[in-house]
Amino acid sequence: ILNVEQSPQSLHVQEGDSTNFTCSFPSSNFYALHWYRWETAKSPEALFVMTLNGDEKKKGRISATLNTKEGYSYLYIKGSQPEDSATYLCAFPSLTGGGNKLTFGTGTQLKVEL
Amino acid sequence: EPEVTQTPSHQVTQMGQEVILRCVPISNHLYFYWYRQILGQKVEFLVSFYNNEISEKSEIFDDQFSVERPDGSNFTLKIRSTKLEDSAMYFCASRADEGTEAFFGQGTRLTVV
Repeated sequence: ILNVEQSPQSLHVQEGDSTNFTCSFPSSNFYALHWYRWETAKSPEALFVMTLNGDEKKKGRISATLNTKEGYSYLYIKGSQPEDSATYLCAFPSLTGGGNKLTFGTGTQLKVEL
Repeated sequence: EPEVTQTPSHQVTQMGQEVILRCVPISNHLYFYWYRQILGQKVEFLVSFYNNEISEKSEIFDDQFSVERPDGSNFTLKIRSTKLEDSAMYFCASRADEGTEAFFGQGTRLTVV
């Protein structure tokens, strides 16, 4: 069973604060690491697919880094806005079984308050 | 923009009844999945489907569950005899290939009473 952990479980920040959360995953047999944002009443949407150690990806105020050797990824949000409130999920694809399934972390629930 | 669609959005069923949850993945995608999330818990993998057959399934996906892709566009999840603990949000997802992100449907909220 793959262990994909996220921390913290939930986070409350004020508008304008910068924040970050962590995803840890098995460092052996690494293939890729996905980040998704899941807003209430909507479906999860992909933010990033990261494949290279040391990779850093950015989309607006959101960025992510990847360390495959130690098995973690950070997601950063700069200057949080209320619309950033969502659950952020990381997912670890595995090639076992030929299905390339995604194993999801427990998620970090972010609430940005005015 | 192409999207994954799921129907119905909400289904209430009596314990022991059969339900079919329907999904239309993005048309050129090759990998299909069902996930579920029980309220307050993490997103759980149920099954993956590739090349017209199940490629992997979890322990949750027991004999009560089955999937089909009957006509090249729909991808269905059937639960033969629902239990109370099957109440959850069920998400369908599809991927173009191994290296790409998953696209999720809006989910079907299944309530077993």
